[in-house]
Amino acid sequence: GENVEQHPSTLSVQEGDSAVIKCTYSDSASNYFPWYKQELGKRPQLIIDIRSNVGEKKDQRIAVTLNKTAKHFSLHITETQPEDSAVYFCAPISGGYNKLIFGAGTRLAVHP
Amino acid sequence: DAGVIQSPRHEVTEMGQEVTLRCKPISGHDYLFWYRQTMMRGLELLIYFNNNVPIDDSGMPEDRFSAKMPNASFSTLKIQPSEPRDSAVYFCASSLALVQETQYFGPGTRLLVL
Repeated sequence: GENVEQHPSTLSVQEGDSAVIKCTYSDSASNYFPWYKQELGKRPQLIIDIRSNVGEKKDQRIAVTLNKTAKHFSLHITETQPEDSAVYFCAPISGGYNKLIFGAGTRLAVHP
Repeated sequence: DAGVIQSPRHEVTEMGQEVTLRCKPISGHDYLFWYRQTMMRGLELLIYFNNNVPIDDSGMPEDRFSAKMPNASFSTLKIQPSEPRDSAVYFCASSLALVQETQYFGPGTRLLVL
């Protein structure tokens, strides 16, 4: 089945620094790559996604980059703020299994 | 739209009891998903429906779990009998399409089985 790994599992940064979270996957047929954010005690919410025909997508302080050859995609957050503190999940859709496979999550802490 | 609605928000029950979780998806969404989240296993897909029909239930842990979707606006996840290891947060989500579409999660039901 699809194998999804996120690195790092925890990340601590100072406010204003950048944060990068990497997601690797095994299914070469994957063609949709979303990132979800889950604040403590809340539901997961989509923050950005990218499709396989695009290498990079930006939305204000958030960006996602995709390397299909190496089978990984990354979430980039610039000028981090305390409200960015949350758990972030990658969830590549598996072409073979036709469903989202969530990674284990990365806990990001932004310190003022 | 009020978003995905789940009830109850919290449930505490004793081992052996039947538990029923409820979900109302966003109107017009054709897909409904049930997830379970625990610290140990993360976020797992249990089952999903398309137009009220179960499509993939490979994530349902065992026969004690069952899910139904009698109409486009209502789904249930039932655990009978419940066990302490079923304690988790159960999320329902819905989307317009299966692939390359945002899944909108409900607030979740926090289940504790004593």
